[in-house]
Amino acid sequence: KAGVTQTPRYLIKTRGQQVTLSCSPISGHRSVSWYQQTPGQGLQFLFEYFSETQRNKGNFPGRFSGRQFSNSRSEMNVSTLELGDSALYLCASSTRGAVEETQYFGPGTRLLVL
Amino acid sequence: GENVEQHPSTLSVQEGDSAVIKCTYSDSASNYFPWYKQELGKGPQLIIDIRSNVGEKKDQRIAVTLNKTAKHFSLHITETQPEDSAVYFCAASGYSSASKIIFGSGTRLSIRP
Repeated sequence: KAGVTQTPRYLIKTRGQQVTLSCSPISGHRSVSWYQQTPGQGLQFLFEYFSETQRNKGNFPGRFSGRQFSNSRSEMNVSTLELGDSALYLCASSTRGAVEETQYFGPGTRLLVL
Repeated sequence: GENVEQHPSTLSVQEGDSAVIKCTYSDSASNYFPWYKQELGKGPQLIIDIRSNVGEKKDQRIAVTLNKTAKHFSLHITETQPEDSAVYFCAASGYSSASKIIFGSGTRLSIRP
């Protein structure tokens, strides 16, 4: 089975711009979660999508949004980029998103905001 | 709120020696404990996990132990090799957490040749 894939792998944007990141989960997985990883804050949960619906949300401003398509692929969008948004954005998929399920991570998209 | 503490934050061991990383969790309802390894430029990869009905699990050079009474679990790597150098994250299932899982802050393991 192919693993979780994320595109693009690297992005450079300037402040005020917006960005869209894409995640394709493992085949058969319907839950996709997004995380922001920074050296100072570790892995921070952004949101989770299941069956095209946002099921859970972390503590991030409304500039961060996402969606999921009928094939379980997911996108996240960040509008009005700030310097502090520079980070590695990871998505993880699992079968149903249940508490005791393993989450499998993609390679991440490294975003640099100048 | 729920919390997972991980120690040490950095660890340097001689090649061939053993490495131990320890984690404690706060939610007594947690019953799933995965460990992830993150190499430079890559996403975290699951290396081993343990569930609360098991006290110890081993996979070649890697083992995890769980003490539910004390609410702590540990990762043991024996006969360390250069390719073991990475950041390791412990995690615990979080029933009250939106993410369903709570991660430790990570341990940067370096293997000295």
